[in-house]
Amino acid sequence: GESVGLHLPTLSVQEGDNSIINCAYSNSASDYFIWYKQESGKGPQFIIDIRSNMDKRQGQRVTVLLNKTVKHLSLQIAATQPGDSAVYFCAENTQAGTALIFGKGTTLSVSS
Amino acid sequence: DAGVTQSPTHLIKTRGQQVTLRCSPKSGHDTVSWYQQALGQGPQFIFQYYEEEERQRGNFPDRFSGHQFPNYSSELNVNALLLGDSALYLCASSLLALAGDYEQYFGPGTRLTVT
Repeated sequence: GESVGLHLPTLSVQEGDNSIINCAYSNSASDYFIWYKQESGKGPQFIIDIRSNMDKRQGQRVTVLLNKTVKHLSLQIAATQPGDSAVYFCAENTQAGTALIFGKGTTLSVSS
Repeated sequence: DAGVTQSPTHLIKTRGQQVTLRCSPKSGHDTVSWYQQALGQGPQFIFQYYEEEERQRGNFPDRFSGHQFPNYSSELNVNALLLGDSALYLCASSLLALAGDYEQYFGPGTRLTVT
C-alpha cells in the first residue's frame, strides 16, 4: 500500500544543536506534505507544510526540504530547545482536503 | 477563535459495547475527518464528512460509522468493541471550500480503552 515512513524512531540531541528528522514517502502522486508535532496526551500540531512544486520552505526555526527524485522529506529544527521534545510525524496527501497518510513518527528528545 | 474540541477526554468500555465520540470543528470549518492512533503509531484515517455526507473512507470495518450535523459537528460511533479498538481517536477539521487550503487542524483526541 501507499504509506509515509520515517527513517529513525528516535533522535536524541543536545539543547542548541540543529536537528534533522527524515521521512521517505512512496506515493509519487502526493502533492502536499506536512510535518506535525505531537506532545504526550495531545493531538498533532501543525509545524510546516510544503507543496510538491517547491523544494524548500522555511518557517520560524524550522525548514522543510523536499526531494521528489528520491521521494524524501526532511524537517530541520535550528537551535533545538527542550520544548521541541515530542513525536514528529510527516504526512502526505494527493488532493486538497482528503485523507492524510501518516508515517510512524520520530521521537525527538532534547537534553539540556 | 475556538479550536477543535472533542469529548469525552477519556473513556473506558467493555468488549462488545458501543461507543460514541464527539467533535466540534474549528470555527468556520465545514469538514471533519476522524483518525485512529494506536499507541506508538501514526494516525490512521477512518473517514471524512462534508455536507453531512461521508466523503471519503479509509480501511476500517462497518463497525465504524459516523455522522455530521448541520452545524458541522460530528460523531464517531463504534459498535461491537474489540480490544484492538483501544486507541486515541483524533478529529481534524478543515475548510474544503477554500481552494488550496490543505491544512487539517487536530483536536486533543479521545482516549478509548476497551477491556
